[in-house]
This record gives sequence, structure tokens and C-alpha cells, in this order.
Amino acid sequence: GQNIDQPTEMTATEGAIVQINCTYQTSGFNGLFWYQQHAGEAPTFLSYNVLDGLEEKGRFSSFLSRSKGYSYLLLKELQMKDSASYLCAVADSNYQLIWGAGTKLIIKP
Amino acid sequence: EADIYQTPRYLVIGTGKKITLECSQTMGHDKMYWYQQDPGMELHLIHYSYGVNSTEKGDLSSESTVSRIRTEHFPLTLESARPSHTSQYLCASLPPWRQGTEAFFGQGTRLTVV
Repeated sequence: GQNIDQPTEMTATEGAIVQINCTYQTSGFNGLFWYQQHAGEAPTFLSYNVLDGLEEKGRFSSFLSRSKGYSYLLLKELQMKDSASYLCAVADSNYQLIWGAGTKLIIKP
Repeated sequence: EADIYQTPRYLVIGTGKKITLECSQTMGHDKMYWYQQDPGMELHLIHYSYGVNSTEKGDLSSESTVSRIRTEHFPLTLESARPSHTSQYLCASLPPWRQGTEAFFGQGTRLTVV
């Protein structure tokens, strides 16, 4: 079956760095997405990786290793507004998005 | 700014009622999706469509139906609402696939069945 695993919850301190991991097993691979979702709101797009390596976008970076079925989202200089759930999703061979359960990130002052 | 809209935003109804959740997008996207999401939980695919007159069931399709008569409109109907249907319902659309294509989400409908 298809499976995406992420930690359920993480806690970090304002101003620090946090890495959220995602491992996946899917039928085919057409890219991996990271979305941010604040409580009660819709997910918003953060990043997309289809090739191995690191993609940097401001305070957020996303890494992909296709051979290991592994990705991480790196958040630097954490701000209180970064408190949210972070969803990992993989596009499979049919371009269907398979979603992880999300990682709830709690930022403490 | 994504042009995908859901109505209503919030709805409280009684058990046994028939309800239709509306989703419309003005981007001309062929692919549209309905997800159910409980607080702090993952997105569960209910139904999806690849274009007009195309509908497919997802993981949680029982007790609900969809239609796709027009590209821009993808309503979800619950024939007989139950308390177990209390959840947030998210509609999404996807443009033609290319690297980096992102899904656009509506603001969601929070449904409470009493």
C-alpha cells in the first residue's frame, strides 16, 4: 500500500531551527510537496521537490532523497506564526496526491 | 490568489437532513477533489474528478455523492447527515500537471451534525 509517515508533533523555541521529517512508500513518484496548515484553515503550498537535493526558499528549505524515500522541511529563525501543522504529500504514478497526517509544530517563546 | 470558493463556511444541521456543500473554481482546472479532515488529523480523499462527467470515489466515499456537470462546479451531497459526518470538508483543484504544480484549496466548510 501507499504510506507517508511524519512525526505527530514537535516543539521548538522561537528563533531556533527545526527539521520535520517525512518518509514515503508510494506507487510511483512524481514529486513531493510540503504544505502549511494553520488550525481551522486550508493548507497552503510551501515547496515542491522532484529531484534529489535541497531547495531553499527564504527561511524554509526542503530536501529530498528519492533512493531513501525521505524528505525533510527545515525551518530557520522560527517565529510564533510558524506554529501550524506541516503536511507532506507525494504525487504518485497517477499524479494523485497521497497525504501524510501532518506534523503539528508548537513554537514556544 | 487562488480562485476556489466553498459555501457555506459553517453549517449546523440535524441528523437525517440532506445537504449539499458547494465548491466552485474559476481557474478552468479539470481536476477537483473533496477531502474530509478532522482536527489535527490527515486529509481523507472522499471523491475526485478529472473533468466534466468524470467522478471517482476516494477512501471515504460512502454516504456521499458528487457531480461534475460544469468544469467550475463540483458539489458534494450527503443524502442523510449523521453526527459521524461532523468534520471539516476541503475542496481542492489542480491545474494540468507540470513540475511544481500545486493544489489550490478552498477555505473549507465546517459541518456539525446534531
